[in-house]
Amino acid sequence: DVKVTQSSRYLVKRTGEKVFLECVQDMDHENMFWYRQDPGLGLRLIYFSYDVKMKEKGDIPEGYSVSREKKERFSLILESASTNQTSMYLCASLDRGRVAEAFFGQGTRLTVV
Amino acid sequence: GNSVTQMEGPVTLSEEAFLTINCTYTATGYPSLFWYVQYPGEGLQLLLKATKADDKGSNKGFEATYRKETTSFHLEKGSVQVSDSAVYFCALIKNTDKLIFGTGTRLQVFP
Repeated sequence: DVKVTQSSRYLVKRTGEKVFLECVQDMDHENMFWYRQDPGLGLRLIYFSYDVKMKEKGDIPEGYSVSREKKERFSLILESASTNQTSMYLCASLDRGRVAEAFFGQGTRLTVV
Repeated sequence: GNSVTQMEGPVTLSEEAFLTINCTYTATGYPSLFWYVQYPGEGLQLLLKATKADDKGSNKGFEATYRKETTSFHLEKGSVQVSDSAVYFCALIKNTDKLIFGTGTRLQVFP
């Protein structure tokens, strides 16, 4: 089975801290994504990557950056955490085969205090 | 740009009732369409998919048909169970680019 693993289920950080959210997939997928999920807003795309060292901004990249040094790992970085970044963060990887299908991690619930 | 619109929730049903959750999309060409489900405390799981017009995706009693003429992909189930209570997301992808989601619809099923 494809596995997408996020490093933490729950995180509590202080305002102004630099925060790293890690995501690892084990199926050699090219595309990886970071979303945040908020009530009433659904999933909003923060950043995505279609290859090592490549990244593209999604719909809400402000306050975030990403790193993809290895194909299996896609990291989301909050440069200076703020309370409005309290959210559920979901990582996904995409099979770019004939029928595209995304696989999701279990999510990281981040609280910034 | 590409987008997905789905009905607002919550949808509240009694067990064994018929379910419909509406989803329409905007996209050029022929995107692939998906329904994902999120159970409480978990990440998203693929429920079903369809990759071309008139395809019907089905899984666990759920069905959705890719309707190009109405740009729709409505989710249906003939008889819901309490265990179906979850949030359902409609999504599309074009050219294996980025996956675009609707806002999600919460389904609550009561015994």
